[in-house]
Amino acid sequence: EIVLTQSPGTLSLSPGERATLSCRASQSIASYLAWFQQKPGQAPRLLIYDASKRATGIPARFSGSGSGTDFTLTISSLEPEDFAVYYCQQRSHWPPITFGQGTRLEIK
Amino acid sequence: QVHLVQSGAEVKKPGASVKVSCKASGYNFATYTMHWVRQAPGQSLEWVGWINSGDGNTQFLQKFQGRVTITRDTSASAAYMELSSLRSEDTAIYYCVRGSSTTMIAVPFDLWGQGTMVTVSS
Repeated sequence: EIVLTQSPGTLSLSPGERATLSCRASQSIASYLAWFQQKPGQAPRLLIYDASKRATGIPARFSGSGSGTDFTLTISSLEPEDFAVYYCQQRSHWPPITFGQGTRLEIK
Repeated sequence: QVHLVQSGAEVKKPGASVKVSCKASGYNFATYTMHWVRQAPGQSLEWVGWINSGDGNTQFLQKFQGRVTITRDTSASAAYMELSSLRSEDTAIYYCVRGSSTTMIAVPFDLWGQGTMVTVSS
């Protein structure tokens, strides 16, 4: 089973700042990585798939990069609605599909 | 409009079973896979299993083998997840999630149900 480790656990930033979230896989997963955003009381929402492709309707301030074992989600300039929990997910070697433990992005 | 609509919250006693439904609309149900993902309170996401809605083939996370059944009814455009021998650790929100298409290139995990809260308590 591939383990995904996200860092940091919590990120405290202000609106307008740049956010950088990391996800590391326990072995190479090529580019089979996705990022999800989850707000309280809501289902997760797909942001990025195949490491760097934005899902339909996702603003351009969200971008993904990386391949192999190290991946990054960048939010170029934080909007108030971006404060949420973010999860990475791999579907390279599955089953099982696995998720990271999440990064909480909070307002500073 | 594409949607996945799940059945309502359930409260079950330990040892009982629960069956959660997920009705799809707005797309050709039989040409996509369907996954189930759960989230315990305050925890991350955990993949439970998936079904090929066309041929009914399934796979599950090893820890659920023997306890989980995933089925589908193509005439109703619905998928079902049944979990038996419930214990308190199964208390979670259960989501159905559209997977990949079996007939064309499509983005998996782009469509989620609203979630079904299952509470296991004596």
